This record gives sequence, C-alpha cells and structure tokens, in this order.
Amino acid sequence: AQSVAQPEDQVNVAEGNPLTVKCTYSVSGNPYLFWYVQYPNRGLQFLLKYITGDNLVKGSYGFEAEFNKSQTSFHLKKPSALVSDSALYFCAVRDRGGATNKLIFGTGTLLAVQP
Amino acid sequence: SQTIHQWPATLVQPVGSPLSLECTVEGTSNPNLYWYRQAAGRGLQLLFYSVGIGQISSEVPQNLSASRPQDRQFILSSKKLLLSDSGFYLCAWSVSPENSSPLHFGNGTRLTVT
Repeated sequence: AQSVAQPEDQVNVAEGNPLTVKCTYSVSGNPYLFWYVQYPNRGLQFLLKYITGDNLVKGSYGFEAEFNKSQTSFHLKKPSALVSDSALYFCAVRDRGGATNKLIFGTGTLLAVQP
Repeated sequence: SQTIHQWPATLVQPVGSPLSLECTVEGTSNPNLYWYRQAAGRGLQLLFYSVGIGQISSEVPQNLSASRPQDRQFILSSKKLLLSDSGFYLCAWSVSPENSSPLHFGNGTRLTVT
C-alpha cells in the first residue's frame, strides 16, 4: 500500500537560513512525487514534482526537492527562507505502477519562518 | 489557462439543513474531479472522485453525496447536515489520465454546522 510520512509537525527556521521539510514514502513500484503549499484558508498550490531523471527538482518560489531512491525520501529545500514562506506544506505520492492511481498526501508540516 | 472555481467561500448552516457546494473548472476537457475534506487544518481526506459525467466513486461512507451533471461541474451535497460535517472542503481537478499530472485545487469552502 502507498503511504507518505512527514515526520515533523512543525519546522522553525530563521529568515535567511536554509530550510528543509522532510518527506519519506512507501510504494510498491516507482513513484511520482509532489510537494504542495497551503496558506491559511486557501487551497493547496502545486510547487514541484518528480517524474524521472535528475534527482534534484526545481519548483516555484525558489523551492527545490531532492529525490533519494535508496532512502525513499523526497525532502523539500530552499537555500534562504523568507517570512512569506510560512505556510503548511504537503508531500504526496502516486504509485505509477500500482493498482490505484490515487494521490496519497502526507499529514502536512507547518513551516514557521521567524524574522 | 485552466482555472477552478469553488463557492461559496464560507458557509454557516444549522444541523439538519441541506448542503450544496459547487465546483467548476474552465479551460480543460474531461478532467478528473475530486472532493476533499480537511479537518483541523491538517490532514486531507478524499471524499469523492469522478472520471466522467455521472461517474462518481465514494471513498468513505458518510452523510455526503456528489454529482457530476456536466463535464466540468462537480457538486457536493447533503440532505441533512451533521455537526461532524464541519470542515474545509476542497475541490480539485487533474488531467485524465493522471499519470504524472498534479492535482489543482480550488480555494475551498469553510463549512460550519451549528
């Protein structure tokens, strides 16, 4: 069965410092992996996705994510955090070879960037 | 470009009243459509998804139903709301077939059942 884990409920980082939001996954086959961001009282916005190829994926707003097959991880990163990056971040996985094509979401990580 | 509209943005309804939330997508044809509920500002629960007109799959037994009367219209309904139906409801669409395509979400409806 597919699953996604975001081990940190909250990540605190000072503005200007690098940030990492962690995600690990479990699928029976090869994954498609996604990151979304949600601001208060808004829908989720797509940030980036991994399909195949280069393990480092670049996305919107300066975010990037690194796919690590051996560690089954897809951590979200940004070299220099902004206060405006404070939001709820969701990792999601779809098993391209699985019986179901559904997108499975993690439980979310709240990112708080202090000025 | 594709856009998704969801309304109303907020709704306060008494227990036992009916519900109708509407979602429409523009700029694409034959999308996959989804209703999610987000409780306590965190986890997303898939309620319904649809791969075509009149084709609805329900993920969890509940007090809600969904319909897709037109290709780009998805409606979430209830005949009698319960307190437990309160939450943030999100509509989403994706390209069909999905494969590597992401879901695109509307801005949600915050429902409070009193």
